[in-house]
Amino acid sequence: DAKTTQPPSMDCAEGRAANLPCNHSTISGNEYVYWYRQIHSQGPQYIIHGLKNNETNEMASLIITEDRKSSTLILPHATLRDTAVYYCIVRVKHNYGQNFVFGPGTRLSVLP
Amino acid sequence: KAGVTQTPRYLIKTRGQQVTLSCSPISGHRSVSWYQQTPGQGLQFLFEYFSETQRNKGNFPGRFSGRQFSNSRSEMNVSTLELGDSALYLCASSLRPSNYGYTFGSGTRLTVV
Repeated sequence: DAKTTQPPSMDCAEGRAANLPCNHSTISGNEYVYWYRQIHSQGPQYIIHGLKNNETNEMASLIITEDRKSSTLILPHATLRDTAVYYCIVRVKHNYGQNFVFGPGTRLSVLP
Repeated sequence: KAGVTQTPRYLIKTRGQQVTLSCSPISGHRSVSWYQQTPGQGLQFLFEYFSETQRNKGNFPGRFSGRQFSNSRSEMNVSTLELGDSALYLCASSLRPSNYGYTFGSGTRLTVV
């Protein structure tokens, strides 16, 4: 089972910031939080990942709470092309090693 | 640089047949993972290969297998196909396993009839 919970859907006006929340209350100290997105019929696209500090790249910012139990992905100026399913993932330790467990994600709709 | 290449893009097979899907990772990437995506189950991890060895494995039956070659290219095979195997099969590559980001290919859409 996924170790994260996300709202199933969100809307955002074009040009505004999109703030996508994620809860990962059982995260352990050495597990990273990853964000991917999937545009219809394409493979998931890596956005950003972090451990405990806030991170920023050309696509987005990742804000992780001090207790690391939740995080927020921020798309600063959403465009119509940002409409996608966004997945928040904690890399899960498995009997055979580690792998990504994708939950259902948040379907973000950017509205004109 | 070229991304992750999966072939073929689309495939139609009959129940009981077997199928082999191919994945060429980004140049220099040595880790390849495979995922199955269906509308009902979402994205599910199949297995991961690094240096020609399977490092991680998901909860799929033995009909699903894979391998990795010395040039890091990977193949996955599904034998005795079932209707439920119809899915988008995605391959992702990374420099190596652990805490690095993965780059996904566009997938192979398999339809079993």
